[in-house]
Amino acid sequence: GAGVSQSPSNKVTEKGKDVELRCDPISGHTALYWYRQRLGQGLEFLIYFQGNSAPDKSGLPSDRFSAERTGESVSTLTIQRTQQEDSAVYLCASSSRPGLTYEQYFGPGTRLTVT
Amino acid sequence: DAKTTQPNSMESNEEEPVHLPCNHSTISGTDYIHWYRQLPSQGPEYVIHGLTSNVNNRMASLAIAEDRKSSTLILHRATLRDAAVYYCIRPPAGNAGGTSYGKLTFGQGTILTVHP
Repeated sequence: GAGVSQSPSNKVTEKGKDVELRCDPISGHTALYWYRQRLGQGLEFLIYFQGNSAPDKSGLPSDRFSAERTGESVSTLTIQRTQQEDSAVYLCASSSRPGLTYEQYFGPGTRLTVT
Repeated sequence: DAKTTQPNSMESNEEEPVHLPCNHSTISGTDYIHWYRQLPSQGPEYVIHGLTSNVNNRMASLAIAEDRKSSTLILHRATLRDAAVYYCIRPPAGNAGGTSYGKLTFGQGTILTVHP
């Protein structure tokens, strides 16, 4: 079946502009995660959605970052007034068994470059 | 954090088996052991996970020690496309009831180089 898809694959934006990143999880996966990975660095958790529960936003680095999810499908990560330190690959992952196991399936990521 | 120990790097020749070790001496009885890999310029890829018994799937095998303090990821026939950083992960301490919701964090991992 189809895996996790993300769009756009690459985004170059000017400092101060807003950007919107999209994630389509695997159908039927109730859990959706956003991570950030800076060049040569590890994964940085941003936000977690599970069904109709309130999202875990504990990883969002500032109030410029927000995310939404429509039911158990598409999610959008929005970064307002982008800064150069926001440059990174933004990864989305989905899972059918969050918490019990760490079996997550990642999308290809969106490479964000802020100039 | 992940609280696992892996060698920084390993090398293999194409078509040969690869055994990637991981120590997780403080693992609790209900923590699953997971392996991910990340190929250059790609997102992480789930490989396999297990609890007590050895596990096999189309990508690899996972051999878990009887005391569960270590495990080995086995690639039966390495290919050039298996060159990646391999991460051994277990849930963080205090994950009773899955409260961490599966938030992944990676340690340094093992850089696997496969020679033609």
